[in-house]
Formats: sequence, C-alpha cells, structure tokens
Amino acid sequence: GENVEQHPSTLSVQEGDSAVIKCTYSDSASNYFPWYKQELGKRPQLIIDIRSNVGEKKDQRIAVTLNKTAKHFSLHITETQPEDSAVYFCAASYGGSQGNLIFGKGTKLSVKP
Amino acid sequence: EAGVVQSPRYKIIEKKQPVAFWCNPISGHNTLYWYLQNLGQGPELLIRYENEEAVDDSQLPKDRFSAERLKGVDSTLKIQPAELGDSAVYLCASSLRPSTEAFFGQGTRLTVV
Repeated sequence: GENVEQHPSTLSVQEGDSAVIKCTYSDSASNYFPWYKQELGKRPQLIIDIRSNVGEKKDQRIAVTLNKTAKHFSLHITETQPEDSAVYFCAASYGGSQGNLIFGKGTKLSVKP
Repeated sequence: EAGVVQSPRYKIIEKKQPVAFWCNPISGHNTLYWYLQNLGQGPELLIRYENEEAVDDSQLPKDRFSAERLKGVDSTLKIQPAELGDSAVYLCASSLRPSTEAFFGQGTRLTVV
C-alpha cells in the first residue's frame, strides 16, 4: 500500500543554521506533496507544497525539492529561528483524483537560541 | 473568514459508550476529510468526502465508526461503541478540491476510560 517514510524523527539545530527533512513515497502516481507544521496542541498548518511537474519551490526561508525518479522530496529551512520549533509532517497524494493524503510520522525540530 | 470548526474540543467517555464529533468546513470547500492522529504520529485518513459522497472510506473501521455529510456541508463522525484504543485526536480538514491546500480544524481530543 501507500507509504511515506520521513527522516529524521527529531532534529536539533542552533539558531541561524539550516535544517533539512527528507521524505520518500511509494506511489509513483503521487502528484501533490504538501508540508505541514504543527505546534504543540495546535492544528497542522500548510507551510509549502509542490506538485510533480515542478522540481523545486521556494518561499522566503523555506524550500522544497522533489526528485520524482527517486520518489523523494525534502524540506529545507534556512536561517532557522526559535519560532521554527515544531513538528513538521510531509505528505503525498494518492487515490482517486489524487485526493487523499498520506502523512509521514513527523520530525520534531528544535531550534536552540 | 472562519476556518474549519470542530466540536467538542475535548471529550471523555467510558468504553462502550457512543460519541459523536461535528465539523463545519470552510464555506465553499467541496472536499472534507476526517483524520485520526495519535500522539507523536502523523494524521491518518479515515474518510474523504467530495460534496456529500464518501469517495474513500477504506480506512474507516465500519464495525464501529460511521460518518455522514448531509447536504455536502457539515459532517459528523460517530463511534459506537468506543474502545480504549480509540483515544486520539480526531481532525477534520477541508479543501476547495482534491490535491489543494487542506485546512485543518482544531481537532477533538477523545479520551476513552
């Protein structure tokens, strides 16, 4: 069945450093890859997404890259700040109309001041 | 614009009792999802609606879970009877259409004792 593997499960960086989170997916038909940020006790919120016809997308300090051949995609956060501390989830679409999302298990990012 | 609204926020019930969760999606969003999130895990899809039609309920434990989305707007998710293992956060999300940004509600934290 569909599967998304996410690594690492925890990541600790110093403020100002970069953070990279990697995901692999199993369904070659997946065409939509969103990333969500979830702060403690709050709802997941979309931070960036990418579609299969694009290799890279950037939004200020956040970027996502997609390698369809290898079926993996990554989230890059530059110049990290303490407010970036949260759990980050990657997801991949599957199913009819590619309308379902399967999520990774999450990465807990800690940015130390 | 109001986001996705869920109620109740918290629910504590004894095992074998029934429980229901309610979701009001963002106005105009045709796609509605119910997810289950266990502590430290990513959201897991239970059911997806396109308007009033359940287009994917393959992950819904149908022996005890049921859902409906009358008139293609609000939705309810019911568990009867609840089991200890059902303790989790139940998240509702909506999007304009498949493979577009899904907006999550605050979730209902269910504790079965």
